Amino acid sequence: DTAVSQTPKYLVTQMGNDKSIKCEQNLGHDTMYWYKQDSKKFLKIMFSYNNKELIINETVPNRFSPKSPDKAHLNLHINSLELGDSAVYFCASSQDAAFEQYFGPGTRLTVT
Amino acid sequence: SQQGEEDPQALSIQEGENATMNCSYKTSINNLQWYRQNSGRGLVHLILIRSNEREKHSGRLRVTLDTSKKSSSLLITASRAADTASYFCATGISGNTPLVFGKGTRLSVIA
Repeated sequence: DTAVSQTPKYLVTQMGNDKSIKCEQNLGHDTMYWYKQDSKKFLKIMFSYNNKELIINETVPNRFSPKSPDKAHLNLHINSLELGDSAVYFCASSQDAAFEQYFGPGTRLTVT
Repeated sequence: SQQGEEDPQALSIQEGENATMNCSYKTSINNLQWYRQNSGRGLVHLILIRSNEREKHSGRLRVTLDTSKKSSSLLITASRAADTASYFCATGISGNTPLVFGKGTRLSVIA
């Protein structure tokens, strides 16, 4: 069984559109994350979400918003997409922020 | 500011050789973790070493931690072509602070 799953795997869209990426984990973890990995493979934390506490990386534009309907899901909504949003987005989960993290397969977002 | 910095950025070795990657960080940590990322895939956790530990083994992996030098190393022994991947270190500071990842070392193992 897949521990952390994301959909879609690929997402191609035009500038200005609004899109969502879904993430689900079946590990019973309390903390979930969204990361952005750019073309240089640098992995940047965007959000962490633990028991309804949201920790936001201050460099993330407010066009990005995480939404957690329950502990097992953390979706990422992106409004008014820009070319610079093109990247691979990873969802991850862990028992606690300092423990090992389990990553999803990634969503490759291409904005044209 | 970025915590972990891996060195070298890229490493190419022959199958059967050992590969050593290093990670340096800046502040006190609770633990340090190493992850592997195969091309087009998500990161996979390899090993976690706590700040009070100096060495840890897992199969062909050996991780050391020197808190006085704020550095860690990952040694992969008897490398295989399947070890070709990017390797990231990540530092854990406290329970509520997310891990911070370095930029990774790209390892190529040539058969």
